Amino acid sequence: DTGVSQDPRHKITKRGQNVTFRCDPISEHNRLYWYRQTLGQGPEFLTYFQNEAQLEKSRLLSDRFSAERPKGSFSTLEIQRTEQGDSAMYLCASSLLRGGEAFFGQGTRLTVV
Amino acid sequence: AQSVAQPEDQVNVAEGNPLTVKCTYSVSGNPYLFWYVQYPNRGLQFLLKYITGDNLVKGSYGFEAEFNKSQTSFHLKKPSALVSDSALYFCAVRVPQTGANNLFFGTGTRLTVIP
Repeated sequence: DTGVSQDPRHKITKRGQNVTFRCDPISEHNRLYWYRQTLGQGPEFLTYFQNEAQLEKSRLLSDRFSAERPKGSFSTLEIQRTEQGDSAMYLCASSLLRGGEAFFGQGTRLTVV
Repeated sequence: AQSVAQPEDQVNVAEGNPLTVKCTYSVSGNPYLFWYVQYPNRGLQFLLKYITGDNLVKGSYGFEAEFNKSQTSFHLKKPSALVSDSALYFCAVRVPQTGANNLFFGTGTRLTVIP
């Protein structure tokens, strides 16, 4: 499978716990994006990497959120001290440096109880 | 600020009839425009894009879209709808001239094709 893969697909956690999600992009893609999607809304941009450098962060990315892409390949998104408002689908996407379209993974659905 | 509007939350069409899903945008600069489709419990799948050139672009599964600069629109079309086209459709825009690399998405249009 050469698509974008995300792990886990589902995560249920108690409020206040920390969670970490992983994304493996398409191997030759330099750019990696994280988005959040809530019910009835389109995906909202969180952050963007070019290789290992985090170049853009949305205002949605509070200080409880941190993302890394240590070797320019896979990426992790960590949410500390989760809140119920963090419940959403977290989508990862990747694209070529000079390409147009981004290819999305199937997402990680987070439920904070 | 960049924004994308999908004025219809829901579109119903009979199988075999032509379908249109509307998208308008507001950007400062020349937009790159995209359509994605999302099936239940699946990620977004790329359908087509407009970067430059011919205003009519063709994409996957028989879909096409027309870029209209004067009306700032990028409507998605298909000549003959299939029941399997029923899904959630998202229009998105990126404006590279602003330095931003992310996509701005509309709120989505749910397409239902009635057998």
